[in-house]
Amino acid sequence: DVKVTQSSRYLVKRTGEKVFLECVQDMDHENMFWYRQDPGLGLRLIYFSYDVKMKEKGDIPEGYSVSREKKERFSLILESASTNQTSMYLCASSLGSWGYTFGSGTRLTVV
Amino acid sequence: AQSVSQHNHHVILSEAASLELGCNYSYGGTVNLFWYVQYPGQHLQLLLKYFSGDPLVKGIKGFEAEFIKSKFSFNLRKPSVQWSDTAEYFCAVTSAGSGGSNYKLTFGKGTLLTVNP
Repeated sequence: DVKVTQSSRYLVKRTGEKVFLECVQDMDHENMFWYRQDPGLGLRLIYFSYDVKMKEKGDIPEGYSVSREKKERFSLILESASTNQTSMYLCASSLGSWGYTFGSGTRLTVV
Repeated sequence: AQSVSQHNHHVILSEAASLELGCNYSYGGTVNLFWYVQYPGQHLQLLLKYFSGDPLVKGIKGFEAEFIKSKFSFNLRKPSVQWSDTAEYFCAVTSAGSGGSNYKLTFGKGTLLTVNP
């Protein structure tokens, strides 16, 4: 079965900390995505990557950066976490538009 | 830029009632359309998708959706809902082009469906 694995299910961090969210896929997909999911706002795209070392800003990139050094791994970085970044973060991967596979999510709380 | 609008934030139905959830998209070109479902505490799952061909698409669990190009709509339907359909439903769109940012998947804000037994 195709899998997207996010390293943490729950995470609690302090304001100002640097936070890394890791995502690994085992499907050799070219595209990877980071979304945040908030009640009433749906899923909003933060960043995506369509190739190794390639990245493109999504709709809400402010306060975030990403890294994709290997095809299977896509990391989301919060340089200095703030309370308004408390959210559920979802990683996804795809091969073209044919199928998007989502991870189980990381619920991040910034205190 | 593409966008998706879902008309209803929360829909409450009784079991056996019929369901229709509205979805409209905004994009200047050809699109691919999706409906996803998220059951409480679970990850997103694909219900159905439309790429081309027959505008009436059948998905899993008895769901179907109809693409009406003239109305930029892709409404989700089910003739008779069950308690187990209680979930949040998301409509999403990508460009039908190939390469790079064409694969960006844009979601609507979601519709929470509550089915009472």
